[in-house]
Amino acid sequence: RKEVEQDPGPFNVPEGATVAFNCTYSNSASQSFFWYRQDCRKEPKLLMSVYSSGNEDGRFTAQLNRASQYISLLIRDSKLSDSATYLCVVPGGSQGNLIFGKGTKLSVKP
Amino acid sequence: DAGVTQSPTHLIKTRGQQVTLRCSPKSGHDTVSWYQQALGQGPQFIFQYYEEEERQRGNFPDRFSGHQFPNYSSELNVNALLLGDSALYLCASSPRTRGKYEAFFGQGTRLTVV
Repeated sequence: RKEVEQDPGPFNVPEGATVAFNCTYSNSASQSFFWYRQDCRKEPKLLMSVYSSGNEDGRFTAQLNRASQYISLLIRDSKLSDSATYLCVVPGGSQGNLIFGKGTKLSVKP
Repeated sequence: DAGVTQSPTHLIKTRGQQVTLRCSPKSGHDTVSWYQQALGQGPQFIFQYYEEEERQRGNFPDRFSGHQFPNYSSELNVNALLLGDSALYLCASSPRTRGKYEAFFGQGTRLTVV
């Protein structure tokens, strides 16, 4: 299994839709997880951190299943501005290098 | 409060040349990491600097080297450039808080090797 694997996408959804991205990780000792958002030709920006079973921030919910080594990101009521690539990220070592998935591209259409 | 700043934003170099990229971390951050992002891929960890020393290194050849200065700013040097080194180079800074890995990225330097 690769260290971090994500749904390949792209996801093309209409405005208002609910969309979910999945991510699996190989290191069972990982304690924290992140979702970053990256707009085209821009830097990744931290969207959500997950340190326990999950986290919710407005329309965004991240859930963690440690037994299955699986993380998900749910976006409700999609907006045009949510169009971006979503990167699943897991710390790679004790001092904080990050391992990124390849990213899942989301395109929200009117 | 300035975030992470990188320079230059774009760069074109010829195969075999050397390049230096620069990064100033976010205020209050003392750890700087460098990542390489090829087109269509997620960022790949190159190395991390803390207290002016390289603390961790990813799977990159010795052609990639770095430095951290007393003010926490950092440089990434790449020697003997190859066409495959063309990528977006991202600098990330974070505070040295055990158990917290949240990193903040600069806008990146887009390097093209021709």
